[in-house]
Amino acid sequence: QVRLQESGPGRVKPSETLSLTCSVSGRSINNYYWSWIRQPPGKGLEWIGYTYSSGNTNYNPSLKSRATISVDTSKNQFSLKLSSVTAADTAVYYCTGGGRWSDPWGQGTLVTVSS
Amino acid sequence: DIVMTQSPDSLAVSLGERATINCKSSQSVLYSSNNNNYLAWYQQKPGKPPKVLIYWASTRQSGVPDRFSGSGSGTDFILTISSLQAEDVAVYYCQQYYSPPYTFGQGTKLEIK
Repeated sequence: QVRLQESGPGRVKPSETLSLTCSVSGRSINNYYWSWIRQPPGKGLEWIGYTYSSGNTNYNPSLKSRATISVDTSKNQFSLKLSSVTAADTAVYYCTGGGRWSDPWGQGTLVTVSS
Repeated sequence: DIVMTQSPDSLAVSLGERATINCKSSQSVLYSSNNNNYLAWYQQKPGKPPKVLIYWASTRQSGVPDRFSGSGSGTDFILTISSLQAEDVAVYYCQQYYSPPYTFGQGTKLEIK
């Protein structure tokens, strides 16, 4: 069974960089797509982007080039960095498998942007 | 970007009755070369991550009860729950993966009447 687990700070200050890691177990990260999706409290889902294990990526232009998704095959992990955060970036961040529909999903981690 | 619009925003259905959720895309998500609709449906229960129910518009994910079905093509899609169970109370989202950025509908909250 494939399991994903997000980790990272629960609070980030405005203008700083949000950094999250997703640890994958039960499957090699190689030869698959992996994605990040976020959900502001009480709101809907927003696709952030995906990466292939080779490092090929695709991002949501709404993030204005602030997002970077990378893969560490040696640790079976992939990561998200989001720079210059504001309060609007406060959300539950999910890592997911897949480059089309998302499956499976991590449990999600709430990141609050606040000074 | 492809805009996904769901209707209704909320829905209350009696146990054992049929629930129907609509999803409309601002442009076709049917890829003509393979005749596949790039459309998925998710279920999200409170405090939990979403779970995929349907992909390719009508293919049920393994383990999903057969009371859930997806239909439609092009720009208009439907998620049907044939006989509502108490555990189906959730928010349901459609998502297009035809063209990045992949986009979701705003969600439909399903409750028991």
